[in-house]
Amino acid sequence: GAGVSQSPRYKVAKRGQDVALRCDPISGHVSLFWYQQALGQGPEFLTYFQNEAQLDKSGLPSDRFFAERPEGSVSTLKIQRTQQEDSAVYLCASSLGAVLRPNQPQHFGDGTRLSIL
Amino acid sequence: AQSVSQHNHHVILSEAASLELGCNYSYGGTVNLFWYVQYPGQHLQLLLKYFSGDPLVKGIKGFEAEFIKSKFSFNLRKPSVQWSDTAEYFCAVKRVGGFQKLVFGTGTRLLVSP
Repeated sequence: GAGVSQSPRYKVAKRGQDVALRCDPISGHVSLFWYQQALGQGPEFLTYFQNEAQLDKSGLPSDRFFAERPEGSVSTLKIQRTQQEDSAVYLCASSLGAVLRPNQPQHFGDGTRLSIL
Repeated sequence: AQSVSQHNHHVILSEAASLELGCNYSYGGTVNLFWYVQYPGQHLQLLLKYFSGDPLVKGIKGFEAEFIKSKFSFNLRKPSVQWSDTAEYFCAVKRVGGFQKLVFGTGTRLLVSP
């Protein structure tokens, strides 16, 4: 079956440009997560949605980072006025994760590799 | 803050050697524990998970892990590795009780030589 789909796979932008990264979760998955993975590091949590509600955005590094999931399905992570330190792989994950089924693993997409020049 | 430590950053083994990758976490409450694997060019895949019950859990491809609560550890093992196990392995922890995010270790790169 279809997994988590992310686009684009690669994005190159000049410093100062805005970028938008898309995530299509597995159909029916309630929970959606964004992680940032710098080179040589493990993924680090950015934000979490349950349906369309953004329940945790404690990992967003600055107010230049914004995420939305308006209809509880597709999500977009937007980075404004990009800086070189934003260069990383951005991973999206989804899980069934409803309140009644909390012990569900997260399924990851291939990620978007963002390079800021 | 909660953290996850993977002590081995790079491991090189010959085929048929035994594998043990260390993972320790710092949170004192109830946790769920995971090992994910990332094969070259592929996405993160769940290898195995521990939620409760038997602390020895078995995953795919012959991997297993043991949760030792007193040591805050969740080490990954495989009795005999194969060349196809070459990958990066990540340990991850999720606090139980309202927190959904995974906290990952920095990963261990495993190279298995044929």
